[in-house]
Amino acid sequence: AQSVAQPEDQVNVAEGNPLTVKCTYSVSGNPYLFWYVQYPNRGLQFLLKYITGDNLVKGSYGFEAEFNKSQTSFHLKKPSALVSDSALYFCAVSPFHGSGNTGKLIFGQGTTLQVKP
Amino acid sequence: SQTIHQWPATLVQPVGSPLSLECTVEGTSNPNLYWYRQAAGRGLQLLFYSVGIGQISSEVPQNLSASRPQDRQFILSSKKLLLSDSGFYLCALVAGGREQYFGPGTRLTVT
Repeated sequence: AQSVAQPEDQVNVAEGNPLTVKCTYSVSGNPYLFWYVQYPNRGLQFLLKYITGDNLVKGSYGFEAEFNKSQTSFHLKKPSALVSDSALYFCAVSPFHGSGNTGKLIFGQGTTLQVKP
Repeated sequence: SQTIHQWPATLVQPVGSPLSLECTVEGTSNPNLYWYRQAAGRGLQLLFYSVGIGQISSEVPQNLSASRPQDRQFILSSKKLLLSDSGFYLCALVAGGREQYFGPGTRLTVT
């Protein structure tokens, strides 16, 4: 079955330190990969995506993610965390391409990022 | 750029009452539209999606239904709410690109 795993329910990091939020996937073919952020009682905000090309993708708010095909991973990273980065982060995969693509996504269960001052 | 509106923002309804949540979009045409439910601030459950007017696909059997009467309008309904219908309902769209964009959500509490 196709799935996305975020192995950590919560990640704690001190402000100014680098952060990593992990994501691995299990889908056939060449998936499209996405990261979203959600603040309390808000909708999800799109951060970045990998479609093709360079394995290191840069997105909004200084976030980046590295696609690793051999490890089927797409970890989210930021060199220096801010307290305001504290939120719920979702990894998602779109395994459906080509004509008739419905754009459906498979989401991970989310990782809460807590950045402490 | 596209904008997604969801109405109402919050709703408290008794068990057995009907439900109608509305999602409208601006700044795009012929988008794919999606309804999700999020329970307890965690994972997202895809409920319905639509690739065009009158075209609805259901992902999970339940007492909810969806309709798309206009290109930019997506409605989630129920004839009789259950306690388990409580949650945060999110509307999303895909238009042109591959990523989904989400609305602000509706918080539904069934009492």
